[in-house]
Amino acid sequence: AQRVTQPEKLLSVFKGAPVELKCNYSYSGSPELFWYVQYSRQRLQLLLRHISRESIKGFTADLNKGETSFHLKKPFAQEEDSAMYYCALINTNAGGTSYGKLTFGQGTILTVHP
Amino acid sequence: DADVTQTPRNRITKTGKRIMLECSQTKGHDRMYWYRQDPGLGLRLIYYSFDVKDINKGEISDGYSVSRQAQAKFSLSLESAIPNQTALYFCATSDGGTSSYNEQFFGPGTRLTVL
Repeated sequence: AQRVTQPEKLLSVFKGAPVELKCNYSYSGSPELFWYVQYSRQRLQLLLRHISRESIKGFTADLNKGETSFHLKKPFAQEEDSAMYYCALINTNAGGTSYGKLTFGQGTILTVHP
Repeated sequence: DADVTQTPRNRITKTGKRIMLECSQTKGHDRMYWYRQDPGLGLRLIYYSFDVKDINKGEISDGYSVSRQAQAKFSLSLESAIPNQTALYFCATSDGGTSSYNEQFFGPGTRLTVL
């Protein structure tokens, strides 16, 4: 069964410091991984997906299949980055078609202090 | 962004009562989902529907039922609410097909308290 693990429930850093939110997964097929974010009083929304290989709001995440990890990184954290972050996995077939079910990690609350 | 709406936003009820949470979307998506969020457990999938005639159980469907009344509407029912169903419930939608369309769009959530 697929599983997503975020080992840190809480993560605190100071503004300007680097931040890394850890995510490990277990899945035997071809996974597609995401980071979702929930800012205070806002909806859960997609931050980035591994297939896009893009940087969003200064965040990047690289899929490491050898270590089965998809850690989220930002070199210089900002106060507005404070939020709940979820790593999620969706299973796809070889053709990239989604089966539609997201499996979420437990979430990490990031607090960036001034 | 009012594309995915949930009613009610907050509900307090008593053990044994039947409760219905409703979700509507104007995104034209075929796929709809119900999740519950609990501290330390993340979001867990309750039920999902890939179209009006397709309903599937998620990982924690016991004690819940759903109805897909139309493409735009997906309701979650608690037949006989119990205190451990106290949680934040989210509805989400997504387009199907290739991986380019796997993003899920979430509603604002319904906070349910069962006394």
